[in-house]
Amino acid sequence: DAKTTQPNSMESNEEEPVHLPCNHSTISGTDYIHWYRQLPSQGPEYVIHGLTSNVNNRMASLAIAEDRKSSTLILHRATLRDAAVYYCILRDGAGGTSYGKLTFGQGTILTVHP
Amino acid sequence: EPEVTQTPSHQVTQMGQEVILRCVPISNHLYFYWYRQILGQKVEFLVSFYNNEISEKSEIFDDQFSVERPDGSNFTLKIRSTKLEDSAMYFCASSPPGQGSSNEKLFFGSGTQLSVL
Repeated sequence: DAKTTQPNSMESNEEEPVHLPCNHSTISGTDYIHWYRQLPSQGPEYVIHGLTSNVNNRMASLAIAEDRKSSTLILHRATLRDAAVYYCILRDGAGGTSYGKLTFGQGTILTVHP
Repeated sequence: EPEVTQTPSHQVTQMGQEVILRCVPISNHLYFYWYRQILGQKVEFLVSFYNNEISEKSEIFDDQFSVERPDGSNFTLKIRSTKLEDSAMYFCASSPPGQGSSNEKLFFGSGTQLSVL
């Protein structure tokens, strides 16, 4: 899987928007961009994914750059419960049998202040 | 909302002993996985399982490890002879039918903390 780069940590205040960046300059045309998060003492949790177009769901929005070399996960109003490690992961959509093999990096530790 | 459940939440064992970690995936899911996370390190893929056979395994998943789906609901990870370095949090995950591609979402359990003494 292609490599992603994320800041080690970010901080936010409760009720404010949070923009978590991810660089993936070597992304291929078939790679999907996935975001997972891991709350303290929990397993990873799916957040959102996309290929080319921006995506919205009840948890977050994903903004994908036009050249796809970077993306941003947007939490519209951070809550204390959003404090977690956020992982940006590329998944190869070209086929094969790597079902479910997510390659996690170190992620971004998000701290939310009351 | 359906969830992946793992038991026990904590397991302590002596080096050289066999352990079995148990998972109940979400009921209509067909793809099953084990991951692990050593304290302070990244989450690492171990193995994927579909249609009663291993689809892919990592280099961590050596002959000491095995997986099984003994009935229609459970999915187990067995470590035959545990080593100190097997101490980690082990996560089970599953994904629904119609996926099994890079477009899929994985649903993870809360993990079993394995401590090998």
